[in-house]
Amino acid sequence: GAVVSQHPSWVICKSGTSVKIECRSLDFQATTMFWYRQFPKQSLMLMATSNEGSKATYEQGVEKDKFLINHASLTLSTLTVTSAHPEDSSFYICSALTDRAGVYTDTQYFGPGTRLTVL
Amino acid sequence: TQLLEQSPQFLSIQEGENLTVYCNSSSVFSSLQWYRQEPGEGPVLLVTVVTGGEVKKLKRLTFQFGDARKDSSLHITAAQPGDTGLYLCAGERSGGGKLIFGQGTELSVKP
Repeated sequence: GAVVSQHPSWVICKSGTSVKIECRSLDFQATTMFWYRQFPKQSLMLMATSNEGSKATYEQGVEKDKFLINHASLTLSTLTVTSAHPEDSSFYICSALTDRAGVYTDTQYFGPGTRLTVL
Repeated sequence: TQLLEQSPQFLSIQEGENLTVYCNSSSVFSSLQWYRQEPGEGPVLLVTVVTGGEVKKLKRLTFQFGDARKDSSLHITAAQPGDTGLYLCAGERSGGGKLIFGQGTELSVKP
């Protein structure tokens, strides 16, 4: 259980285009999801916290107009990279907090990541 | 300012050796988690520690949470090539599930 999927797993796009990445919790509901980016050989950097039915909370230095987050349902959050540029090329990872049987747990389950390459 | 200092950042050892990875902070965490990540994949949770002084074992891996809940360590006994990967510690300071990650330790175990 506690499986999180991401789609697509990799994407290549031209500079100036927008790219949407989906994050789904497959067997549980997640009121909170997180979006991270990771550069090669580096750790995860939290970009934003996505809460179902409300606006995302962005970390300092993350442009909310560039990285649009929508958490429309309890199993789906999307990250749209608008007007992508080569410096946006990175590994984007989402995670979801479990909340099984009404007992809140702090365990985050991570998706497999999406490799974005902007040409 | 890095809230969680993880060391060493790179470690290359021979199969059969022991190793310890450290995660230190001046802040108190309500819980601390260790993850392992392989290239091109998301992190996979190894363990969560929540009580000061807690020790958890997962086969050849031993995790310890400091008494003051500010630091943690991961000890691997008799490392194997399959242990190769990026090890990440992550702490939660308050409710809501938001994690602060350490820099990561890139472990390479050579046969």
